[in-house]
Amino acid sequence: DAGVIQSPRHEVTEMGQEVTLRCKPISGHDYLFWYRQTMMRGLELLIYFNNNVPIDDSGMPEDRFSAKMPNASFSTLKIQPSEPRDSAVYFCASSQIFRAPAYEQYFGPGTRLTVT
Amino acid sequence: GENVEQHPSTLSVQEGDSAVIKCTYSDSASNYFPWYKQELGKRPQLIIDIRSNVGEKKDQRIAVTLNKTAKHFSLHITETQPEDSAVYFCAAVVGSARQLTFGSGTQLTVLP
Repeated sequence: DAGVIQSPRHEVTEMGQEVTLRCKPISGHDYLFWYRQTMMRGLELLIYFNNNVPIDDSGMPEDRFSAKMPNASFSTLKIQPSEPRDSAVYFCASSQIFRAPAYEQYFGPGTRLTVT
Repeated sequence: GENVEQHPSTLSVQEGDSAVIKCTYSDSASNYFPWYKQELGKRPQLIIDIRSNVGEKKDQRIAVTLNKTAKHFSLHITETQPEDSAVYFCAAVVGSARQLTFGSGTQLTVLP
């Protein structure tokens, strides 16, 4: 199993540009989570999906952030327009309800986003 | 919603000594408490977890204890080694929800 795959691993962009982060969950996993990690705020849950359906997006900071999961093997997190305060490491994680322990989340390697 | 507080934020111990990290949670409906280890520049990885119907769980040099009455849980690492140096996060899950609420993290440094 390749684990959770994220791309790109590093992204540097200018303020105002659109940024798209990508995630491929572990095959067979039915939950997908997007997190943001910063020194100031720690690990924050942004949104999570169950069977491709968004369940809770209360952590999405602003309308500039949007996330989609068009199928079971792919999800995107988009920031438009990006701002310097969006600079962070963005993690994608997945889990499977019938896998023990049922709540274990497997994290991807993260995307380090820098907005200048 | 759930709130998880974690202490201390930094911890330095001598190699071979024990380390203890403590977390408290607010929602009495929380029923699953994992601990994640994150090495510098790497992803968080689950190292141990405990459910609300268990008071203690051990896995080699690490153990987790849970006090439901006081709503706190702790990570214990014995015979620490330099490779234990990392940031450790506690987390809690409320009821049947799937989302983790993380503590703020503890930077553990094991001094050789």
